Amino acid sequence: DIQMTQSPSSLSASVGDRVTITCRASQSISDYLNWYQQKPGKAPNLLIYGASSLQSGVPSRFSGSGSGTDFTLTISSLQPEDFATYYCQQSYSTPRTFGQGTKVEIK
Amino acid sequence: QVQLQESGPGLVKPSGTLSLTCAVSGGSISSPNWWSWIRQPPGKGLEWIGDIFLGGSTNYNPSLKSRVTISVDKSKNQFSLKLSSVTAADTAVYYCARLSTMFRGVTSMDVWGKGTTVTVSS
Repeated sequence: DIQMTQSPSSLSASVGDRVTITCRASQSISDYLNWYQQKPGKAPNLLIYGASSLQSGVPSRFSGSGSGTDFTLTISSLQPEDFATYYCQQSYSTPRTFGQGTKVEIK
Repeated sequence: QVQLQESGPGLVKPSGTLSLTCAVSGGSISSPNWWSWIRQPPGKGLEWIGDIFLGGSTNYNPSLKSRVTISVDKSKNQFSLKLSSVTAADTAVYYCARLSTMFRGVTSMDVWGKGTTVTVSS
């Protein structure tokens, strides 16, 4: 199984801050990497697919980068509605695996 | 716009079988997508359970494979999950999702149901 490790597990930030979340795969997954946002009590929502492609309807302040084993999700200017938990997920092989999540909290 | 809705018992007894259904609306389950089940234990992260393609091909998480069956009912435009021999560790919110091929084999879960809570308890 491919293990996905996110860092940090949580972070505190203010509105307007630039936020970066990292995801590392236990082996190379090319660009087969997705990012999801989950708010409390809600289903996850796809933000980024293929490491860097923005899902339709997702604000352009979200961006993704990386290839191989190291990936990054960046929020260029944090908005109040962005406080949530973020998960990376590899689609390179089954079993499909998720990172443990990064909770973005208000400072 | 495709929407998914999970349904099934919210309480299952230990050693019993958990059975859930995901109804697909606004689109056909026979479209060329995989259909997935994912779960989330209370306060924890996401765990992929498995998925099915319209032709009946399935992928299962090896950690659950001996207990899981996913099936499709084209006539009802829905797919289902059965998880046998459940324990308290299977208590979770269960989500169904559409797994779409975005490009070049890159797949992502682009449509999700709202989730349904299943508690395993006597």
